[in-house]
Amino acid sequence: QKEVEQDPGPLSVPEGAIVSLNCTYSNSAFQYFMWYRQYSRKGPELLMYTYSSGNKEDGRFTAQVDKSSKYISLFIRDSQPSDSATYLCATRKGGSQGNLIFGKGTKLSVKP
Amino acid sequence: EPEVTQTPSHQVTQMGQEVILRCVPISNHLYFYWYRQILGQKVEFLVSFYNNEISEKSEIFDDQFSVERPDGSNFTLKIRSTKLEDSAMYFCASSETRNTEAFFGQGTRLTVV
Repeated sequence: QKEVEQDPGPLSVPEGAIVSLNCTYSNSAFQYFMWYRQYSRKGPELLMYTYSSGNKEDGRFTAQVDKSSKYISLFIRDSQPSDSATYLCATRKGGSQGNLIFGKGTKLSVKP
Repeated sequence: EPEVTQTPSHQVTQMGQEVILRCVPISNHLYFYWYRQILGQKVEFLVSFYNNEISEKSEIFDDQFSVERPDGSNFTLKIRSTKLEDSAMYFCASSETRNTEAFFGQGTRLTVV
């Protein structure tokens, strides 16, 4: 079983739509969960970071972790064309915040 | 805004040759990382480096790979005797502490021919 699984999409939505991106993970010991955004030919950029279960909101973005079902989500409200990118979920595997296991990424396209 | 910089942006090398990928982490950061992303696949952790030594490495990071901080600003990844399957984007990242956000560079695209 893969440690972090993510539907690669692609996902295409109209501008203004609510976007839901999801991942599952296998190891209940994982505690730190992150969402990164990656534009084409660029490095990943941290969007949201949560510890353990619960919700975290930052502007139009909400990250949600459900440890009971090993499910993590990112919601984007009022999506914009500039949100078009690949979204990567990640969890911290090792002793530092840089030792991450990434999902494969979901490619999102927001159409004007 | 401080950023992680990587050079070159694209490197082409012949199979069997050695390559060195270079990174300048953010200046006050103490933890350094290398990742790779083979085309169409996941971003994969290779190694973390702290206090002039490797602190963690993945099973991908075998004897073919080595890392070094040759001076106070650069962090390098050396790949000895490159193989075709080493073709990938290589990302360097750094973080201030072990528990703070890792910032990624723009990557070096390595093409082995």
